Amino acid sequence: DTGVSQNPRHKITKRGQNVTFRCDPISEHNRLYWYRQTLGQGPEFLTYFQNEAQLEKSRLLSDRFSAERPKGSFSTLEIQRTEQGDSAMYLCASSLPGRYGYTFGSGTRLTVV
Amino acid sequence: GENVEQHPSTLSVQEGDSAVIKCTYSDSASNYFPWYKQELGKRPQLIIDIRSNVGEKKDQRIAVTLNKTAKHFSLHITETQPEDSAVYFCAASIGGTASKLTFGTGTRLQVTL
Repeated sequence: DTGVSQNPRHKITKRGQNVTFRCDPISEHNRLYWYRQTLGQGPEFLTYFQNEAQLEKSRLLSDRFSAERPKGSFSTLEIQRTEQGDSAMYLCASSLPGRYGYTFGSGTRLTVV
Repeated sequence: GENVEQHPSTLSVQEGDSAVIKCTYSDSASNYFPWYKQELGKRPQLIIDIRSNVGEKKDQRIAVTLNKTAKHFSLHITETQPEDSAVYFCAASIGGTASKLTFGTGTRLQVTL
C-alpha cells in the first residue's frame, strides 16, 4: 500500500454536468477526509468519515455536493450541476484512529468550463 | 469557528539562513498544530506537528514553537537549502483529534543560492 490514491488526476467538465471523484485511503486508516484547495489558498475542510459514517460536513458543502464511503474503504465525492466556482483541487486524506497527522492524496484537479 | 492566520505570505531567504513562519489561531480549544509542506503540483506533506501540552518540538533543521497564552505558533527552519523552497501551511485542530483541520493561507518560501 503506497498511500492515498485519487482518481482521476484531472477532470475538465462543462458547467452543469455532474462529476464524481474517487479516493482510496491507506488500507488500515479508518478516517477519510475531503478538502478543497483553490489557487493560493490553504485546503478547506469539506467532510470526513470514520469507517462508513459521515461525521461532519462543512457549511461549504452545498446540496450539490455529496460524499459516500459505503463499505468504509474507498470514498466518492460527487458534484452535481457543476459551476465555474467549483473549479479547484479536491484533496482526499486518511488517518489512523487516535493518531494525529493526515496522509494526503495527490488530488483531483477539477476545471469547469 | 476556528480561524488561522499565517504570515508572511511570501518569504525569500538565502541558502544557509533561517526562515520563520508565524501563525495565530482564534479558538483556545485548539490543541493540535501540524505544519505541511506543498511543492508545486504535489500533495501537502506533514513535516512536523505539535500538541498543546508541549511548547517546542524539533526535528533536525525544523522546529515548531507554541505559545498557548498568545494563541500563536511558529515554524523555524535553520540552515535552509534550495529543496526547502515550497509553500508551507500551518493548521489547527479543535477537540483533541485531527478530525478537522483549519489551514492558514500558506507561505511561499524561496531559498536562493
